[in-house]
Amino acid sequence: AQSVSQHNHHVILSEAASLELGCNYSYGGTVNLFWYVQYPGQHLQLLLKYFSGDPLVKGIKGFEAEFIKSKFSFNLRKPSVQWSDTAEYFCAVTRDYNQGGKLIFGQGTELSVKP
Amino acid sequence: DAGVIQSPRHEVTEMGQEVTLRCKPISGHDYLFWYRQTMMRGLELLIYFNNNVPIDDSGMPEDRFSAKMPNASFSTLKIQPSEPRDSAVYFCASSPQYNQPQHFGDGTRLSIL
Repeated sequence: AQSVSQHNHHVILSEAASLELGCNYSYGGTVNLFWYVQYPGQHLQLLLKYFSGDPLVKGIKGFEAEFIKSKFSFNLRKPSVQWSDTAEYFCAVTRDYNQGGKLIFGQGTELSVKP
Repeated sequence: DAGVIQSPRHEVTEMGQEVTLRCKPISGHDYLFWYRQTMMRGLELLIYFNNNVPIDDSGMPEDRFSAKMPNASFSTLKIQPSEPRDSAVYFCASSPQYNQPQHFGDGTRLSIL
C-alpha cells in the first residue's frame, strides 16, 4: 500500500543532543514533501517543505531535512535540540494532482526533550 | 492575517446527538480539508474540497458523517448520530493549491459520552 512511514514513535533526548527523525514514502514519480510540527495542545504548523531544487531544505527554528530520492526518504534533522522542541512531528507527502493530490501524513513521532 | 477558524473549540455531548463542526478557511484558499486525529489512528484525512466542490471523501468513516461547503468561506462537518468512538480532535485546514502547505485551524476537541 502507498504510505508514509515514520520509523520512530517516541524519541527522548536531552537538550543539546542532535536529532534525526526518519521518514520514508512509497510513491514513485513526482512528490512534494513536508514536515509539520504540533506543539502540545496546538494545531499543526509547517516546519519546512521540499518541492524541487536543492534536496537539503532549511526550515524554521533551525530544522532542516534532506530529500534522498533513491531512498524515498525525507529525514528531519536538528543539530542541537531545545526543551521547547518537545512536540509531535509529522512527515507528509503529496503527489501529482491527477494521482490524487491529497496530503498523506505519517503516523507522527513524539519528541520529548529533557532539560 | 486571520488563520483558519474552527468552532467550537470543545464539544461534549451524549451519544445519539447530532454534532456540527464549523470551519472558516483563509480567504483566497481554494482547498479545504477536514482531518480527524486520534491516538490510535493518528491524523486521517476525511474529505477535501476544491472551490467548494467535494473532491475526495474516501476517508469519511461512514454515512453518519457528512460535510458541506456552501460557499468559499464556510464549511461544516456533521455527525448524526454521534457515537463514543467519534471522540477525537477534528482539524480543518486550507491551502491555496492542492500541493501548497496547508494551514491548520486550532481544532475541535469532540467528546461523545
